[in-house]
Order: sequence, then structure tokens, then C-alpha cells
Amino acid sequence: AQTVTQSQPEMSVQEAETVTLSCTYDTSESDYYLFWYKQPPSRQMILVIRQEAYKQQNATENRFSVNFQKAAKSFSLKISDSQLGDAAMYFCAYRSENGNSGYALNFGKGTSLLVTP
Amino acid sequence: GAGVSQTPSNKVTEKGKYVELRCDPISGHTALYWYRQSLGQGPEFLIYFQGTGAADDSGLPNDRFFAVRPEGSVSTLKIQRTERGDSAVYLCASSLRIRGLGETQYFGPGTRLLVL
Repeated sequence: AQTVTQSQPEMSVQEAETVTLSCTYDTSESDYYLFWYKQPPSRQMILVIRQEAYKQQNATENRFSVNFQKAAKSFSLKISDSQLGDAAMYFCAYRSENGNSGYALNFGKGTSLLVTP
Repeated sequence: GAGVSQTPSNKVTEKGKYVELRCDPISGHTALYWYRQSLGQGPEFLIYFQGTGAADDSGLPNDRFFAVRPEGSVSTLKIQRTERGDSAVYLCASSLRIRGLGETQYFGPGTRLLVL
């Protein structure tokens, strides 16, 4: 089974600064998706960004971008110009493309991001 | 349109009781997923449906857990003889399809289950 590791239980960033959250994963598959989800105290999991493994170009969504290193099996999230509303739990998730290991998301344990004024 | 909704938002029950948790997916989404999130952990897969059928129930922890989706829309997760270890947030997600583009899963707000 695929495992997703988030080695930073907590991170802190000052407003307007940049922070990078780390994620590594273990897989023998070549086709898959990677995701970052944000979970505020309301519990609602919100999709931040996604990356298809076959794409070499790193995905970007406004202030959020990823550094996808397929060979290293690394998928970090960079948040630029951090805002107070970015404070939340962030989960990295893996999903198979061809269903060999199912179609459900495999999540890491999460990183709690604190944004200070 | 409306997002994924889940009811109840919170549920408190006593050990040994039966509970039902409901998920109403985004209209038109054929795939529906249930996850369980324990305190301080990421969500863990329970079961998913493609249409009315359970395509993969390998994540259900034991036979006390069961889920249905009789008309291919609303789903109900049923837990019999609840145990204190069942206490968690139960998340539901839906997607337009399973494979390829459009498979992004959209989550509901979850049901927090507390078994006393």
C-alpha cells in the first residue's frame, strides 16, 4: 500500500511571508495523482492544489504552488504571501490512477500551520 | 450548486447502540467515498461507491460497519453495536467519476460521532 509521510507536525509563518510544507510518498506505480487539502477547524476538507504525476510542470493556484520531484517521491507545498486565513491543517494525499491500489485517497497525518500577524 | 452535505453534524450515542450517518453528494456525482478521521490523524478510507454498488469496501474495519447507496445518490453509513473506539469524524466525499479528469473528490463537513 502507498504511504504518505508529512514529517512536520506543526509549522509557523508570519503574515505575508512564505512557507513550505513537506510531503513524501512511497509507491511503485507510475501513474497517480497528488493533492494538498486544507482542513480548517470547521472540518471541511478543501482542495488546495493537485498534480498529475505524468505532468512535469509544477501545479500552481494563485499563492499556492508545488515542487513535485517524481524521482525523489517528494511533493512539497509552497504558500506565498501567507494570510491569516491560511491557518489550518494541511494534508497531503496520494491517489492511484489505474486502480491497482484502489481509487481512494491515501492521506498523510497532516501539518498544522499557524499564521502569526 | 450545493456542495456535499452530511447529517447529523454531531452525534452522541451510547456504547452498543446503532447509528446511521447520512451523506448527500454533489448532484450528478457518480462516485461517493466514506472516510474516518480519528483525532490527530489524516482521514482513512472506508468504502466507495460507483453508482449504487460498493466498488471497494476494503477499508471497513469489521462487519459492524455497513453502507448503502440504493438510488445512486444519497448514502448512509450504518454502524451496529457501537464501541468507544468508533468515536471519530466520518467524512463523505463525492466526485464526478473515478478515473481521469473530473475525479477530484469534494468533501462534506463531516459527522462527529462520540460513543460514550
